[in-house]
Amino acid sequence: GAVVSQHPSRVICKSGTSVKIECRSLDFQATTMFWYRQFPKQSLMLMATSNEGSKATYEQGVEKDKFLINHASLTLSTLTVTSAHPEDSSFYICSAPGQGVGQETQYFGPGTRLLVL
Amino acid sequence: GEDVEQSLFLSVREGDSSVINCTYTDSSSTYLYWYKQEPGAGLQLLTYIFSNMDMKQDQRLTVLLNKKDKHLSLRIADTQTGDSAIYFCAEITGQAGTALIFGKGTTLSVSS
Repeated sequence: GAVVSQHPSRVICKSGTSVKIECRSLDFQATTMFWYRQFPKQSLMLMATSNEGSKATYEQGVEKDKFLINHASLTLSTLTVTSAHPEDSSFYICSAPGQGVGQETQYFGPGTRLLVL
Repeated sequence: GEDVEQSLFLSVREGDSSVINCTYTDSSSTYLYWYKQEPGAGLQLLTYIFSNMDMKQDQRLTVLLNKKDKHLSLRIADTQTGDSAIYFCAEITGQAGTALIFGKGTTLSVSS
Protein backbone atom coordinates (compact mmCIF):
# COMPACT_ATOMS: atom_id res chain seq x y z
CA GLY A 1 0.00 0.00 0.00
CA ALA A 2 0.93 3.66 -0.12
CA VAL A 3 3.53 4.87 2.37
CA VAL A 4 4.04 8.23 3.98
CA SER A 5 7.29 8.95 5.77
CA GLN A 6 8.26 11.68 8.20
CA HIS A 7 11.64 12.99 9.19
CA PRO A 8 12.88 13.32 11.83
CA SER A 9 11.04 10.85 14.00
CA ARG A 10 12.15 12.63 17.14
CA VAL A 11 13.73 16.01 17.79
CA ILE A 12 14.80 17.90 20.87
CA CYS A 13 15.54 21.59 20.52
CA LYS A 14 16.15 24.65 22.62
CA SER A 15 13.48 27.25 23.15
CA GLY A 16 13.63 29.94 20.47
CA THR A 17 15.03 27.77 17.71
CA SER A 18 13.20 26.60 14.58
CA VAL A 19 12.52 23.00 13.67
CA LYS A 20 11.65 21.63 10.24
CA ILE A 21 9.63 18.44 9.84
CA GLU A 22 9.35 16.71 6.49
CA CYS A 23 6.45 14.64 5.22
CA ARG A 24 6.94 12.57 2.08
CA SER A 25 4.63 10.38 0.05
CA LEU A 26 6.94 7.62 -1.07
CA ASP A 27 5.15 5.90 -3.90
CA PHE A 28 2.33 8.20 -4.84
CA GLN A 29 1.72 11.85 -5.51
CA ALA A 30 -0.11 14.02 -3.03
CA THR A 31 -1.37 17.42 -4.09
CA THR A 32 -2.83 17.75 -0.62
CA MET A 33 -1.34 16.77 2.72
CA PHE A 34 -2.64 17.37 6.22
CA TRP A 35 -0.76 18.26 9.37
CA TYR A 36 -2.11 17.18 12.73
CA ARG A 37 -0.90 17.73 16.28
CA GLN A 38 -1.47 15.31 19.13
CA PHE A 39 -0.85 16.23 22.76
CA PRO A 40 -0.27 13.42 25.27
CA LYS A 41 -3.33 11.25 25.82
CA GLN A 42 -5.39 13.43 23.49
CA SER A 43 -6.80 13.14 20.03
CA LEU A 44 -5.35 14.37 16.78
CA MET A 45 -6.25 17.93 15.94
CA LEU A 46 -5.98 19.21 12.40
CA MET A 47 -3.57 22.13 12.17
CA ALA A 48 -3.50 22.89 8.48
CA THR A 49 -4.01 21.64 4.97
CA SER A 50 -0.94 21.77 2.77
CA ASN A 51 -1.61 22.40 -0.91
CA GLU A 52 0.98 21.80 -3.61
CA GLY A 53 1.67 25.01 -5.48
CA SER A 54 -0.44 27.26 -3.29
CA LYS A 55 -0.73 28.56 0.25
CA ALA A 56 -1.63 26.29 3.10
CA THR A 57 -5.00 26.57 4.77
CA TYR A 58 -4.81 26.88 8.55
CA GLU A 59 -7.39 25.87 11.11
CA GLN A 60 -8.78 28.43 13.49
CA GLY A 61 -6.37 29.17 16.30
CA VAL A 62 -3.26 27.95 14.47
CA GLU A 63 -0.74 30.73 13.82
CA LYS A 64 0.43 30.60 10.24
CA ASP A 65 3.52 32.67 10.98
CA LYS A 66 4.57 30.24 13.66
CA PHE A 67 3.84 27.03 11.78
CA LEU A 68 5.19 27.56 8.28
CA ILE A 69 4.08 25.05 5.70
CA ASN A 70 5.66 24.58 2.31
CA HIS A 71 4.40 22.05 -0.22
CA ALA A 72 7.24 22.29 -2.70
CA SER A 73 6.54 19.19 -4.76
CA LEU A 74 3.93 16.52 -5.28
CA THR A 75 5.66 14.26 -2.77
CA LEU A 76 6.94 16.63 -0.09
CA SER A 77 5.41 18.94 2.47
CA THR A 78 7.38 20.58 5.25
CA LEU A 79 6.22 22.03 8.54
CA THR A 80 8.57 24.48 10.23
CA VAL A 81 7.91 25.36 13.84
CA THR A 82 9.48 28.79 14.22
CA SER A 83 10.77 30.16 17.51
CA ALA A 84 9.70 27.00 19.27
CA HIS A 85 8.57 27.16 22.90
CA PRO A 86 7.98 24.37 25.41
CA GLU A 87 4.22 24.52 24.79
CA ASP A 88 4.91 23.49 21.18
CA SER A 89 6.18 20.13 22.42
CA SER A 90 3.86 17.60 20.86
CA PHE A 91 3.51 14.74 18.41
CA TYR A 92 3.15 16.03 14.86
CA ILE A 93 1.63 13.71 12.26
CA CYS A 94 1.05 14.24 8.58
CA SER A 95 -1.29 12.42 6.25
CA ALA A 96 -2.06 12.26 2.57
CA PRO A 97 -5.12 10.94 0.78
CA GLY A 98 -4.72 8.24 -1.82
CA GLN A 99 -5.10 9.04 -5.48
CA GLY A 100 -8.08 8.77 -7.76
CA VAL A 101 -10.68 6.30 -6.58
CA GLY A 102 -8.51 5.65 -3.52
CA GLN A 103 -8.92 9.15 -2.13
CA GLU A 104 -11.07 7.92 0.74
CA THR A 105 -8.00 6.18 2.15
CA GLN A 106 -5.82 8.46 4.23
CA TYR A 107 -2.24 7.40 4.76
CA PHE A 108 -0.53 8.65 7.89
CA GLY A 109 3.13 9.17 8.54
CA PRO A 110 4.73 7.64 11.64
CA GLY A 111 4.80 11.01 13.40
CA THR A 112 7.50 13.34 14.74
CA ARG A 113 7.87 13.82 18.45
CA LEU A 114 9.06 17.35 19.25
CA LEU A 115 10.42 18.29 22.65
CA VAL A 116 11.29 21.92 23.24
CA LEU A 117 13.46 22.58 26.28
CA GLY B 1 -20.76 21.45 14.42
CA GLU B 2 -18.70 18.37 13.94
CA ASP B 3 -18.05 16.17 16.93
CA VAL B 4 -16.94 12.58 17.37
CA GLU B 5 -17.34 10.93 20.76
CA GLN B 6 -15.88 7.72 22.13
CA SER B 7 -15.73 6.06 25.50
CA LEU B 8 -12.22 6.45 26.92
CA PHE B 9 -11.43 2.98 28.22
CA LEU B 10 -12.29 -0.66 27.59
CA SER B 11 -10.83 -3.64 29.37
CA VAL B 12 -11.32 -7.21 28.15
CA ARG B 13 -9.81 -10.63 28.68
CA GLU B 14 -7.81 -12.38 25.99
CA GLY B 15 -10.06 -14.43 23.73
CA ASP B 16 -13.16 -12.34 24.40
CA SER B 17 -14.73 -9.98 21.87
CA SER B 18 -14.17 -6.24 22.20
CA VAL B 19 -16.70 -3.69 21.07
CA ILE B 20 -15.60 -0.08 20.78
CA ASN B 21 -18.33 2.47 20.23
CA CYS B 22 -18.35 5.87 18.58
CA THR B 23 -21.01 8.49 17.98
CA TYR B 24 -20.85 11.41 15.62
CA THR B 25 -23.03 14.42 15.15
CA ASP B 26 -22.72 15.40 11.51
CA SER B 27 -25.26 13.59 9.38
CA SER B 28 -23.29 14.46 6.26
CA SER B 29 -20.46 12.09 7.18
CA THR B 30 -19.39 10.26 4.05
CA TYR B 31 -16.67 7.94 5.31
CA LEU B 32 -16.02 6.66 8.81
CA TYR B 33 -12.73 5.15 9.90
CA TRP B 34 -11.11 3.16 12.64
CA TYR B 35 -7.43 3.72 13.34
CA LYS B 36 -5.15 1.97 15.83
CA GLN B 37 -2.30 3.70 17.63
CA GLU B 38 0.22 1.79 19.71
CA PRO B 39 2.28 3.64 22.35
CA GLY B 40 4.67 6.16 20.83
CA ALA B 41 3.70 5.17 17.29
CA GLY B 42 1.77 6.62 14.40
CA LEU B 43 -1.68 5.67 13.18
CA GLN B 44 -2.53 2.40 11.50
CA LEU B 45 -5.67 2.30 9.39
CA LEU B 46 -7.72 -0.71 10.43
CA THR B 47 -10.78 -0.31 8.30
CA TYR B 48 -13.28 2.20 7.00
CA ILE B 49 -16.88 2.20 5.87
CA PHE B 50 -18.78 4.28 3.40
CA SER B 51 -21.88 5.93 4.81
CA ASN B 52 -24.28 4.00 2.57
CA MET B 53 -23.16 0.70 4.10
CA ASP B 54 -24.29 -0.67 7.42
CA MET B 55 -21.72 -3.38 7.96
CA LYS B 56 -18.24 -4.32 6.88
CA GLN B 57 -16.26 -7.35 7.95
CA ASP B 58 -12.54 -7.89 7.59
CA GLN B 59 -11.13 -10.99 9.29
CA ARG B 60 -11.47 -10.39 13.06
CA LEU B 61 -12.88 -6.91 12.59
CA THR B 62 -16.55 -6.06 12.12
CA VAL B 63 -17.74 -2.51 11.66
CA LEU B 64 -21.39 -1.67 12.20
CA LEU B 65 -22.88 1.66 11.16
CA ASN B 66 -26.26 2.91 12.32
CA LYS B 67 -26.70 6.03 10.31
CA LYS B 68 -30.04 6.89 11.86
CA ASP B 69 -28.51 6.99 15.35
CA LYS B 70 -25.12 8.24 14.06
CA HIS B 71 -23.44 5.34 15.81
CA LEU B 72 -20.39 3.41 14.67
CA SER B 73 -18.89 0.39 16.36
CA LEU B 74 -15.82 -1.77 15.93
CA ARG B 75 -15.95 -5.36 17.09
CA ILE B 76 -12.71 -7.27 17.48
CA ALA B 77 -13.24 -11.01 17.71
CA ASP B 78 -10.90 -13.21 19.74
CA THR B 79 -9.08 -10.23 21.19
CA GLN B 80 -5.35 -10.73 21.72
CA THR B 81 -2.87 -8.94 23.96
CA GLY B 82 -1.36 -7.44 20.81
CA ASP B 83 -4.64 -5.64 20.24
CA SER B 84 -3.96 -3.45 23.28
CA ALA B 85 -3.74 0.09 21.90
CA ILE B 86 -5.72 3.28 21.46
CA TYR B 87 -8.46 3.08 18.85
CA PHE B 88 -9.61 6.24 17.12
CA CYS B 89 -12.87 6.71 15.33
CA ALA B 90 -12.72 9.37 12.60
CA GLU B 91 -14.96 10.79 9.94
CA ILE B 92 -14.91 12.76 6.74
CA THR B 93 -17.87 15.02 6.22
CA GLY B 94 -17.02 16.27 2.78
CA GLN B 95 -15.72 14.60 -0.31
CA ALA B 96 -13.06 11.93 -0.19
CA GLY B 97 -9.60 13.36 0.22
CA THR B 98 -10.50 15.95 2.85
CA ALA B 99 -9.16 16.01 6.41
CA LEU B 100 -10.35 13.62 9.08
CA ILE B 101 -12.10 14.59 12.29
CA PHE B 102 -11.03 12.34 15.14
CA GLY B 103 -12.61 11.20 18.35
CA LYS B 104 -10.57 11.28 21.55
CA GLY B 105 -9.68 7.60 21.29
CA THR B 106 -10.57 4.50 23.29
CA THR B 107 -7.80 2.78 25.19
CA LEU B 108 -8.25 -0.98 24.89
CA SER B 109 -6.53 -3.06 27.54
CA VAL B 110 -6.37 -6.81 27.01
CA SER B 111 -5.42 -9.02 29.93
CA SER B 112 -4.23 -12.59 29.62
